[in-house]
Amino acid sequence: DAKTTQPPSMDCAEGRAANLPCNHSTISGNEYVYWYRQIHSQGPQYIIHGLKNNETNEMASLIITEDRKSSTLILPHATLRDTAVYYCIARPIQGAQKLVFGQGTRLTINP
Amino acid sequence: NAGVTQTPKFRVLKTGQSMTLLCAQDMNHEYMYWYRQDPGMGLRLIHYSVGEGTTAKGEVPDGYNVSRLKKQNFLLGLESAAPSQTSVYFCASSYRSTESSYNSPLHFGNGTRLTVT
Repeated sequence: DAKTTQPPSMDCAEGRAANLPCNHSTISGNEYVYWYRQIHSQGPQYIIHGLKNNETNEMASLIITEDRKSSTLILPHATLRDTAVYYCIARPIQGAQKLVFGQGTRLTINP
Repeated sequence: NAGVTQTPKFRVLKTGQSMTLLCAQDMNHEYMYWYRQDPGMGLRLIHYSVGEGTTAKGEVPDGYNVSRLKKQNFLLGLESAAPSQTSVYFCASSYRSTESSYNSPLHFGNGTRLTVT
């Protein structure tokens, strides 16, 4: 599985858009980009995933660059409840989903 | 629909004791996983199962055993607990990837906090 690189921490003001970057320069053509988050003391929560097209759901948007070497998770209107550690993960299209978690980005939403 | 349920939520063991952590899912998922998370670190895969009666080793399997006798349950056993196994344990489940259903996201439980003294 491709290695991903994320900044260790970020801050964002409540109500603003939070943009979380992820570098995955060694990603292969059969690997998706997944985003999960972990709110303190809880299990990780799935947010969104994509292969090469931009994706949007009720939680967030995922922007993947054309060369697929990086992506950005966008939380359009961050709230205090979005404070969490966000993990960007690259994993193959098929097979058992043995997600490999890195250190993630600790996002703090400030009032 | 409870999702993924882990029991117990907390446990304290003495070195050398044994215990079993139970994971139950009600989503009819084929795949199940056990992860551990240590302070300041990401999750690391211990064992996983792609179906009833089958298990496989993950990244850090030593000191643990697993069983998947029923599709909805995945058990993690510690035969002789060691202080190094003090951690938070997370169970997860997902659908099997198929041509029409790639990449079913993992659904996680809320963890079992284990302390070994």
